[in-house]
Amino acid sequence: GQQVMQIPQYQHVQEGEDFTTYCNSSTTLSNIQWYKQRPGGHPVFLIQLVKSGEVKKQKRLTFQFGEAKKNSSLHITATQTTDVGTYFCAGRGGNQFYFGTGTSLTVIP
Amino acid sequence: DAGVTQSPTHLIKTRGQQVTLRCSPKSGHDTVSWYQQALGQGPQFIFQYYEEEERQRGNFPDRFSGHQFPNYSSELNVNALLLGDSALYLCASSLGAPPGPHGYTFGSGTRLTVV
Repeated sequence: GQQVMQIPQYQHVQEGEDFTTYCNSSTTLSNIQWYKQRPGGHPVFLIQLVKSGEVKKQKRLTFQFGEAKKNSSLHITATQTTDVGTYFCAGRGGNQFYFGTGTSLTVIP
Repeated sequence: DAGVTQSPTHLIKTRGQQVTLRCSPKSGHDTVSWYQQALGQGPQFIFQYYEEEERQRGNFPDRFSGHQFPNYSSELNVNALLLGDSALYLCASSLGAPPGPHGYTFGSGTRLTVV
């Protein structure tokens, strides 16, 4: 079945440092979505990428979809304590999305 | 505009029992997907309902079943509970399947503990 892996599993950064999480799929993806889950919370949709090589920005967050549409990345510039949480990518398989393993981000003030 | 509502928020059951979890989708959404999220892991797809029918199913045993009602709300039933069924159960709604550029809207989940 479809597998979506993320690295790293955990990341601790000093506030102000940058952060990147990588998402890799075993199969080509139609599109990919990113979600953020705060501790004790539920996933919240961030963005969807559809085109090969697509790059989208949301303030300090930059999302990229690989040329082969099998990988994606999320980069956060100058992390803040409000960025704490687990970031999940979700790749489309059929009519629903398979979630990755997630990267848990801790920001040290 | 109401988001996704799930009930109950927490539940403790004994092994072998049966449980029913409920979900009301976001207003305007017609598709409900259920996910199981074990502690420290990503959400795992259970199944998806659209037009009162199960449209897709993940790798979960038949002990997991569901239903969608004409008002788009949905139930998740789990029979013969096992300790391993302890998890956060998330309901995600969308307009159609797959979810479009606005993604899934998730509920706050039901935390199920099996003892």
